[in-house]
Amino acid sequence: AQSVTQLGSHVSVSEGALVLLRCNYSSSVPPYLFWYVQYPNQGLQLLLKYTSAATLVKGINGFEAEFKKSETSFHLTKPSAHMSDAAEYFCAVSDLSGSARQLTFGSGTQLTVLP
Amino acid sequence: KAGVTQTPRYLIKTRGQQVTLSCSPISGHRSVSWYQQTPGQGLQFLFEYFSETQRNKGNFPGRFSGRQFSNSRSEMNVSTLELGDSALYLCASSLDGTSNYGYTFGSGTRLTVV
Repeated sequence: AQSVTQLGSHVSVSEGALVLLRCNYSSSVPPYLFWYVQYPNQGLQLLLKYTSAATLVKGINGFEAEFKKSETSFHLTKPSAHMSDAAEYFCAVSDLSGSARQLTFGSGTQLTVLP
Repeated sequence: KAGVTQTPRYLIKTRGQQVTLSCSPISGHRSVSWYQQTPGQGLQFLFEYFSETQRNKGNFPGRFSGRQFSNSRSEMNVSTLELGDSALYLCASSLDGTSNYGYTFGSGTRLTVV
């Protein structure tokens, strides 16, 4: 069974500061990993995904994530936070074979950006 | 290219009633998945349909059901509504339902059961 743990349900950063959102996964097979963002009263928007190619994945809006197999981690970072980054972020895992045909989500991290 | 369309956006129902939610996937996508999002349980997988067949189902009671039509549009139905069914229901569209192509989500239907 797959699972995702997001450390920190709430993270606050100052505008212009580094954003680091943590995600650890558990999977018995090589995983696909995703980061999604959700703004209030909206659906989920894909930020980036890891599909066993490059371990450093660049996404939209300046976000990137690094897949570290030894640490079973896929942390999301952004060098400089912007007010518009305030939202809830979800890490998700799916197995590489695609046979599960579903995403298993973490519990989410609410990011607050302080002026 | 149109995105994933979910209707209605908001819905208020009474306990015991039933409800049907609709999802139109991206043109050409044949897989539709449904997820329930609540503050307590987070995002949970309901089921996935591909070419009108349910291929995968999450751990939800039989009151939750779905179907997919030949044009890939999908509906989910919840019968005998309970207060705990109040949630944001999200639909995800995928080319073939595997992670290779990823999943595009709709804006969701906010269901409130009173």
